[in-house]
Amino acid sequence: DAKTTQPNSMESNEEEPVHLPCNHSTISGTDYIHWYRQLPSQGPEYVIHGLTSNVNNRMASLAIAEDRKSSTLILHRATLRDAAVYYCILRDGIGGGSNYKLTFGKGTLLTVNP
Amino acid sequence: DAGVIQSPRHEVTEMGQEVTLRCKPISGHDYLFWYRQTMMRGLELLIYFNNNVPIDDSGMPEDRFSAKMPNASFSTLKIQPSEPRDSAVYFCASSFLAGMRPYEQYFGPGTRLTVT
Repeated sequence: DAKTTQPNSMESNEEEPVHLPCNHSTISGTDYIHWYRQLPSQGPEYVIHGLTSNVNNRMASLAIAEDRKSSTLILHRATLRDAAVYYCILRDGIGGGSNYKLTFGKGTLLTVNP
Repeated sequence: DAGVIQSPRHEVTEMGQEVTLRCKPISGHDYLFWYRQTMMRGLELLIYFNNNVPIDDSGMPEDRFSAKMPNASFSTLKIQPSEPRDSAVYFCASSFLAGMRPYEQYFGPGTRLTVT
């Protein structure tokens, strides 16, 4: 599986934007970039995913570099509820077989200060 | 929708006892995943099913672990006999195949297992 590299931790202030980086220099052409987050004492939850183009949803935005070797998850206005571990995961977009597995790394622990 | 339901939420048992964890996936989902999370190893996939059939069990640690999915709305993960090193939070997740592209997995709240 292609690997991702994320900072161990980041800190932000409430109401400010947060940019969470992820490096994936060995990404293949069919890999989707997924972001999940895990709030304290909860199961992970899906945040966003993309392939080549930038993506927006109600939770966040995903900015993907033109060469796809890195991506950034953007929280436009951090709230205290956004304090969580954020995981950047690559998953092969070819259907079937083992391609529905999620391989979680250590992620980035985001602390949001009031 | 109630989301993925797991029971029990907490389980404390003695070494050597049998432990059964239960999961009810979201209705209509055709994939079911079992994960284990520990501080040392992080979140690991143990096994996953598609349409009630096990597809990949390469993450199951050893023969003491077994998982079944007798129907689309129920799965179990059994540990027999349990050992202290099995202490972890066990998550169940479900997802559905649509348009031949991977979609997001929905996780349950987890079962915290403590083996003394």
